[in-house]
Amino acid sequence: AQTVTQSQPEMSVQEAETVTLSCTYDTSESDYYLFWYKQPPSRQMILVIRQEAYKQQNATENRFSVNFQKAAKSFSLKISDSQLGDAAMYFCAYRSGDSGGGADGLTFGKGTHLIIQP
Amino acid sequence: DTGVSQDPRHKITKRGQNVTFRCDPISEHNRLYWYRQTLGQGPEFLTYFQNEAQLEKSRLLSDRFSAERPKGSFSTLEIQRTEQGDSAMYLCASSITSMGGYTFGSGTRLTVV
Repeated sequence: AQTVTQSQPEMSVQEAETVTLSCTYDTSESDYYLFWYKQPPSRQMILVIRQEAYKQQNATENRFSVNFQKAAKSFSLKISDSQLGDAAMYFCAYRSGDSGGGADGLTFGKGTHLIIQP
Repeated sequence: DTGVSQDPRHKITKRGQNVTFRCDPISEHNRLYWYRQTLGQGPEFLTYFQNEAQLEKSRLLSDRFSAERPKGSFSTLEIQRTEQGDSAMYLCASSITSMGGYTFGSGTRLTVV
């Protein structure tokens, strides 16, 4: 079974600064997808960014980028120019790829609570 | 398109009662998922439908839990003989393919007293 570990229960960053959230995962599969989700206090999960394991290039979405290290099984999220609206719980998630015939559900980490200091 | 809708938003029930939650996915999404999230934890996968077929069930889904998706549209999740340990946020998500991220609803918060 796959596991996802987020070792930082809480992180704090000054507005406009950069912060990196850590995520490691354990899998024996070679085909999979990784995701970062944001969950604001309203509780609706929002997809921030996704990465296909077969792609070497790190995914980027505006101020959000990832550092995907497949050999190390590490998938960190970098948020640049932090804004007050970035304050939320951030979850790292794993999904098996189609070729492996694996589960279609997501496996989530426990989350990191991101605080933005004005 | 109003996204994924879940009803009710909150449910308080007495232990031993049955409860049913509803999820309306994005209309063109053929895949629908149920997750459970307890305080301080990430969501845990419960079950998955592709159209009306329930293709996967987690071991977390005890025999007190049943999910349906008639006609491949909305889905219901029923919990029979609720226990205090069932108190959680129940999240529904949908997707159109297996490759993309999922769109989540706002969830139904269940409190069993």
